[in-house]
Amino acid sequence: KQEVTQIPAALSVPEGENLVLNCSFTDSAIYNLQWFRQDPGKGLTSLLLIQSSQREQTSGRLNASLDKSSGRSTLYIAASQPGDSATYLCAVRGDTGRRALTFGSGTRLQVQP
Amino acid sequence: NAGVTQTPKFQVLKTGQSMTLQCAQDMNHEYMSWYRQDPGMGLRLIHYSVGAGITDQGEVPNGYNVSRSTTEDFPLRLLSAAPSQTSVYFCASSYFKAGGNPSTDTQYFGPGTRLTVL
Repeated sequence: KQEVTQIPAALSVPEGENLVLNCSFTDSAIYNLQWFRQDPGKGLTSLLLIQSSQREQTSGRLNASLDKSSGRSTLYIAASQPGDSATYLCAVRGDTGRRALTFGSGTRLQVQP
Repeated sequence: NAGVTQTPKFQVLKTGQSMTLQCAQDMNHEYMSWYRQDPGMGLRLIHYSVGAGITDQGEVPNGYNVSRSTTEDFPLRLLSAAPSQTSVYFCASSYFKAGGNPSTDTQYFGPGTRLTVL
C-alpha cells in the first residue's frame, strides 16, 4: 500500500525566504506526482504535475523535483510572500491496479510579513 | 466553465439519516472521484469513476454509495449517517485515462461539503 509522508507538518518563515517542502512515498511505481495548495476552508488547487519520466517542473516561483527511485519529491518556493501562506499537499498516482491518488497530510506554511 | 461544483456547502445530519452529496463538472472529464478530509489524515479516496456507468471502491468505501449515469454528475450517497462520517468531502475530476498522457491528469477539485453527523 502506497504511503505518502510530508515533512515538516508546519513551517513558519519570514517574507522573502526561499524554502523547501518535502514529500516521500513508499512505492516507486508511480504514474505521476502532483503538488496542491489548499487555503483554509477551500478546495485544493493544482500547482504542479510531474510525470514519472520527468525530473522537475517549474511554474513561476515554484519548482518541483522528483526522484522516483528514492521515493522523494521537493517543492521549492523562491522569495516567499505572505500570499503563499496555505497548506501544501503532495499526491502520487499509482501505476498499477486501482491507480488511486494517494495524498500526504500536508505542510502548513505561514509566511510572516 | 464552472469547473467542479458541489452542493450543499454545509450539512448537519442526525445519526441514521441518509443524504446525497451532489457533484457536477462541465469539463467533459471521464475520471471523477470522491475524497474525505479529516484532520491530520490527508485526503482519503472513497469511490471513483473512470466514465459513465463505471464506478469502483477506493480506500474507505463503507457506508457510501455512488453512481455515474452521465459524464457530468457523480453523486455520493450516505446510506445511514454515523458520527464517524463527520468530515469535509471533496469531489474531483480530471482527464486521467489508463494508458493516456500522464501530463493531462491535473486534478480539479470542488469547494467541498462540510458534513456534521450528530
